[in-house]
Amino acid sequence: NAGVTQTPKFQVLKTGQSMTLQCAQDMNHEYMSWYRQDPGMGLRLIHYSVGAGITDQGEVPNGYNVSRSTTEDFPLRLLLAAPSQTSVYFCASRKRTGNYEQYFGPGTRLTVT
Amino acid sequence: GENVEQHPSTLSVQEGDSAVIKCTYSDSASNYFPWYKQELGKRPQLIIDIRSNVGEKKDQRIAVTLNKTAKHFSLHITETQPEDSAVYFCAASTGFQKLVFGTGTRLLVSP
Repeated sequence: NAGVTQTPKFQVLKTGQSMTLQCAQDMNHEYMSWYRQDPGMGLRLIHYSVGAGITDQGEVPNGYNVSRSTTEDFPLRLLLAAPSQTSVYFCASRKRTGNYEQYFGPGTRLTVT
Repeated sequence: GENVEQHPSTLSVQEGDSAVIKCTYSDSASNYFPWYKQELGKRPQLIIDIRSNVGEKKDQRIAVTLNKTAKHFSLHITETQPEDSAVYFCAASTGFQKLVFGTGTRLLVSP
């Protein structure tokens, strides 16, 4: 199993550009989430999904869109990048029942200039 | 919504000493409390978790205690080693879905 994978690892954007951060998992986990990590602020939930076709907002959803067309994939879209979106982004997944451990991807370091 | 506060923000100990990190939460309905360890440049990894129907859980040198009345939970690391140096995050959730994280504790274990 590859676990949770994310691409790209690093990205530099100019203000106003758009991009999609990719996340995939091969563990058949129902739940998937996106977090951003900023210095001194821990991890903050952006959006999450409890299954294909179902998404919901987290703590800091503004400026981000998500969709969940398959169990495996959960892309995060930045439509109009802003310097405030400079951060490290982590995708995570876990099973719906039983062990509630969340498995994190390796992260994407995004810089918006 | 849930709010999680974590203290201290940094903790320095000598190898072999014990380390304690404390978190408080605001939502009395929270029922799941994991702890994550994050090494520099790496992803967070679960080290131990506890559910609200349990007061204490131990795994070798690591233990977590939960006080539901006071709404706080703590991570205890005994016999610390240099490889324990990392940032530790507590988190809380209601219904096991949306995790709210604390702001992290940087633990430095000196040989």
